[in-house]
Amino acid sequence: NAGVTQTPKFRVLKTGQSMTLLCAQDMNHEYMYWYRQDPGMGLRLIHYSVGEGTTAKGEVPDGYNVSRLKKQNFLLGLESAAPSQTSVYFCASSYRGGPNSNQPQHFGDGTRLSIL
Amino acid sequence: SQKIEQNSEALNIQEGKTATLTCNYTNYSPAYLQWYRQDPGRGPVFLLLIRENEKEKRKERLKVTFDTTLKQSLFHITASQPADSATYLCALSKMWSSARQLTFGSGTQLTVLP
Repeated sequence: NAGVTQTPKFRVLKTGQSMTLLCAQDMNHEYMYWYRQDPGMGLRLIHYSVGEGTTAKGEVPDGYNVSRLKKQNFLLGLESAAPSQTSVYFCASSYRGGPNSNQPQHFGDGTRLSIL
Repeated sequence: SQKIEQNSEALNIQEGKTATLTCNYTNYSPAYLQWYRQDPGRGPVFLLLIRENEKEKRKERLKVTFDTTLKQSLFHITASQPADSATYLCALSKMWSSARQLTFGSGTQLTVLP
């Protein structure tokens, strides 16, 4: 049982390049999330998904796109990377639960991305 | 705007003592609050959850309190050990959100000295 797996673990890009970060979970969770973590700012939600084929914007969505074609996978894309997108990116997943349910989130170990 | 503050970026404590971490929030009425632990180079790991109608929650050496009047949560680690050294994050959730959105604090780095 691997939990949440993120690939790649590290990546260096040049400004203007594109790339896709992959997140895979084997817990059959309905919800998946992408966060970025910057020093002193905590985790900020980029995009999330409440189920296969659905996505929605979070707090800081600009410059990113996502897709959830399969329940177990959630992809984060950078179409034209900018230095401001240098960060550590975390994927998380959780059960849906019922109304007002309080499900903890399960995180991967992150992708460290540097944009030069 | 909504804001979450965790006390001091770093906290040093002697082994065996109780560590107390603070999470304060403003302009927010969370339905529940969660605490996570994050080790260097790793993702956050869930520790405890407390609902708005609960005053206190315990799990082994961990205790969380939630005061919605003060808009504050306290996270205690009793009989602290060097292995407890990590960054601890609090996260607040909005009342019924289809995505269970959490807003995270920036964390408190705890170091337990042997």
